[in-house]
Amino acid sequence: EAGVAQSPRYKIIEKRQSVAFWCNPISGHATLYWYQQILGQGPKLLIQFQNNGVVDDSQLPKDRFSAERLKGVDSTLKIQPAKLEDSAVYLCASSYGTPVREQYFGPGTRLTVT
Amino acid sequence: AQSVSQHNHHVILSEAASLELGCNYSYGGTVNLFWYVQYPGQHLQLLLKYFSGDPLVKGIKGFEAEFIKSKFSFNLRKPSVQWSDTAEYFCAVKHTGNQFYFGTGTSLTVIP
Repeated sequence: EAGVAQSPRYKIIEKRQSVAFWCNPISGHATLYWYQQILGQGPKLLIQFQNNGVVDDSQLPKDRFSAERLKGVDSTLKIQPAKLEDSAVYLCASSYGTPVREQYFGPGTRLTVT
Repeated sequence: AQSVSQHNHHVILSEAASLELGCNYSYGGTVNLFWYVQYPGQHLQLLLKYFSGDPLVKGIKGFEAEFIKSKFSFNLRKPSVQWSDTAEYFCAVKHTGNQFYFGTGTSLTVIP
């Protein structure tokens, strides 16, 4: 079974530029999560989708971050414009069933904002 | 708001030593509890989970954890660590709504 795919794996941009990350969850997984993991901290949930609907985006900085999950499969997370403090690893995870019993994580995208 | 505390930030042990990593959470209602591990250069992966029943749960690679409701704790243990256990360990809590809350992680280094 293929795992959660993410791209790119690494990205370096200057502040005020835009960036987008892509995630392809495990086939059949209805729930998709985006996390931000700053160095030395645990993953922090940014947004959670159930199929193509948003379940929780309370911690998403909506003035600069946006995410979508068209057709309830792939998802993209965008930052526009980026700030220095956005430097982090962005993790995508997916899960199946309700209630969710386990998450499966992708390899993450390491973003460096200079 | 939910919070998860991992008090040990860095732990260094010799091989064959016993391990216990602390995890405490703040939510008073029904929770599901997890330990995830991230080996160097690899994805986060599930070590073990607790949903209900026996509060002592066993996971992969000889790890176990005990849920103590009165202490809001879910400590991870292993009787004898190996060099290959060197990794970052994260405690996570889930309650209603399927949102997961992670601790800050504990970095474990096992010296051969």
